[in-house]
Amino acid sequence: LAKTTQPISMDSYEGQEVNITCSHNNIATNDYITWYQQFPSQGPRFIIQGYKTKVTNEVASLFIPADRKSSTLSLPRVSLSDTAVYYCLVGDIRAAGNKLTFGGGTRVLVKP
Amino acid sequence: DGGITQSPKYLFRKEGQNVTLSCEQNLNHDAMYWYRQDPGQGLRLIYYSQIVNDFQKGDIAEGYSVSREKKESFPLTVTSAQKNPTAFYLCASRGQDRYEQYFGPGTRLTVT
Repeated sequence: LAKTTQPISMDSYEGQEVNITCSHNNIATNDYITWYQQFPSQGPRFIIQGYKTKVTNEVASLFIPADRKSSTLSLPRVSLSDTAVYYCLVGDIRAAGNKLTFGGGTRVLVKP
Repeated sequence: DGGITQSPKYLFRKEGQNVTLSCEQNLNHDAMYWYRQDPGQGLRLIYYSQIVNDFQKGDIAEGYSVSREKKESFPLTVTSAQKNPTAFYLCASRGQDRYEQYFGPGTRLTVT
């Protein structure tokens, strides 16, 4: 499974855009990039997933450059409720078992 | 409401006792997973099951056991052989042809 590196923590303010970059230099051809959000004492929640270029849904965007060695999760106009830990995961989602490997994640603190 | 449930939310046990954590889902998902999370850390995979009556060890299976007798249920037993059982335990499931895992609310186990 490809190892990922992401910042330990980030601070932001309400209404700002938050961008979290994840490095995955040894990403394999069949690997997808997936982001989860976790609030304290809760299970992680799927945010977005992509393979290349750009993916957008109602809560976030995911930017993946052509070499796929990194990716950036973009949270537009964050609110206090976006304070959470964000995990970047890289793996072959079609592989048997779909095992996920969670790193330490990025703790995002949104201030008023 | 469809979802994945874990009970109880908090569990206290004395050292040397086995304890079983419940995980039930009514999403008709084939695959189910158990993770452990320690304070400030990411999730680590304990066991996973892709189909009824079949399961595989994850990265930290020692001291744990599971069963998958029904599609809806995937209980985890924390045995007395687990050296540091105090942790937050998360169960997840995934449907066929879906790539994201859905997590339950978690059980916080404290062993003293």
